Amino acid sequence: KAGVTQTPRYLIKTRGQQVTLSCSPISGHRSVSWYQQTPGQGLQFLFEYFSETQRNKGNFPGRFSGRQFSNSRSEMNVSTLELGDSALYLCASSLEDRTSTDTQYFGPGTRLTVL
Amino acid sequence: TQLLEQSPQFLSIQEGENLTVYCNSSSVFSSLQWYRQEPGEGPVLLVTVVTGGEVKKLKRLTFQFGDARKDSSLHITAAQPGDTGLYLCAGEVPGGSYIPTFGRGTSLIVHP
Repeated sequence: KAGVTQTPRYLIKTRGQQVTLSCSPISGHRSVSWYQQTPGQGLQFLFEYFSETQRNKGNFPGRFSGRQFSNSRSEMNVSTLELGDSALYLCASSLEDRTSTDTQYFGPGTRLTVL
Repeated sequence: TQLLEQSPQFLSIQEGENLTVYCNSSSVFSSLQWYRQEPGEGPVLLVTVVTGGEVKKLKRLTFQFGDARKDSSLHITAAQPGDTGLYLCAGEVPGGSYIPTFGRGTSLIVHP
């Protein structure tokens, strides 16, 4: 069974631009969560989608948005990029709603650099 | 302020040594998870602990959840170079929708 895939793996953008990242979950998984990982703040929860609906949201500004398609694939978008948005963006999928007993499987991440 | 504090931040040891890393909080968690992340990859779940005082073993790794469910430890016996990676703890605060809180991690290097 293929794992979680994320595209692109690396991305360089300049301030003010916008970016769209893509995540394909493990086949059969309906929940997709997004995280931002930086050396200073660690891994922080962005949002979770389940059945095309945002179920949970972390404490990030509205420039960060996402969506989920009927095939469970998900995209996240960051508008008006800032230098501080440089990070590793991780996607994780799980079978059902995100609960403590439901294993999340992470993708390799997209490394975003904002210049 | 980080809800989950991990220590030490960095650890560099020789193969065969034992080590313990810690995950502490002032908050009570419904459950706590430990992950290992290798360079260029996403975190991989190692274990979930749910009950206060619970101890789980995974080969040479021993995980313990504090009695008050505010802290946890990971002990590795006879570390091997394959144990190298970033060890992350993550907790679920009780009472709300699951929004996981991660510590910043302990970066472990095991030298052959």
